[in-house]
Amino acid sequence: NAGVTQTPKFQVLKTGQSMTLQCAQDMNHEYMSWYRQDPGMGLRLIHYSVGAGITDQGEVPNGYNVSRSTTEDFPLRLLSAAPSQTSVYFCASTLGAGANVLTFGAGSRLTVL
Amino acid sequence: GIQVEQSPPDLILQEGANSTLRCNFSDSVNNLQWFHQNPWGQLINLFYIPSGTKQNGRLSATTVATERYSLLYISSSQTTDSGVYFCAGGTAGNQFYFGTGTSLTVIP
Repeated sequence: NAGVTQTPKFQVLKTGQSMTLQCAQDMNHEYMSWYRQDPGMGLRLIHYSVGAGITDQGEVPNGYNVSRSTTEDFPLRLLSAAPSQTSVYFCASTLGAGANVLTFGAGSRLTVL
Repeated sequence: GIQVEQSPPDLILQEGANSTLRCNFSDSVNNLQWFHQNPWGQLINLFYIPSGTKQNGRLSATTVATERYSLLYISSSQTTDSGVYFCAGGTAGNQFYFGTGTSLTVIP
């Protein structure tokens, strides 16, 4: 049981490049979500999904795209990276958002030059 | 969205001391959790506590939902308690809002 797996752990991009951060969970969790963590800002919700085929925007969705084709995977896409997207990204999942504990991945550190 | 205020922002303790961390919410939440982020960046859930009091070893938490705040107590602190403590609230709309954290340093 691996929990929540994020790849890559580190990535450096140039402005304008695209990339996908991968998130996979093996706990059969319905709810998955992406956050970014910036110094002094805590964690902010980017996008979330309550099940396969369903996604919705969080607090800071601009510049990011998601899809949920399977229960296990929830990739986060940056279509045209900007320096303002330099951050640490966390994926988290839970059985259902209502009354369950969030389980986090180890994080992905992204630097956009 | 919901505003989450944590206090104090920074805390330095001598090993063995006790501390209380506070989390205030601007609106009601139906899923309140406390997390510890260790120095390697890993976020670990400490408590799911939408109301009432829970204890786990040297840690305990109390949430007063009607007044929209939660407290995390750390007793007999150890150097391994160092890191950042976050509270987070989940809404009926499936969104989670995090505070900016309390950075705790425990010195031997």
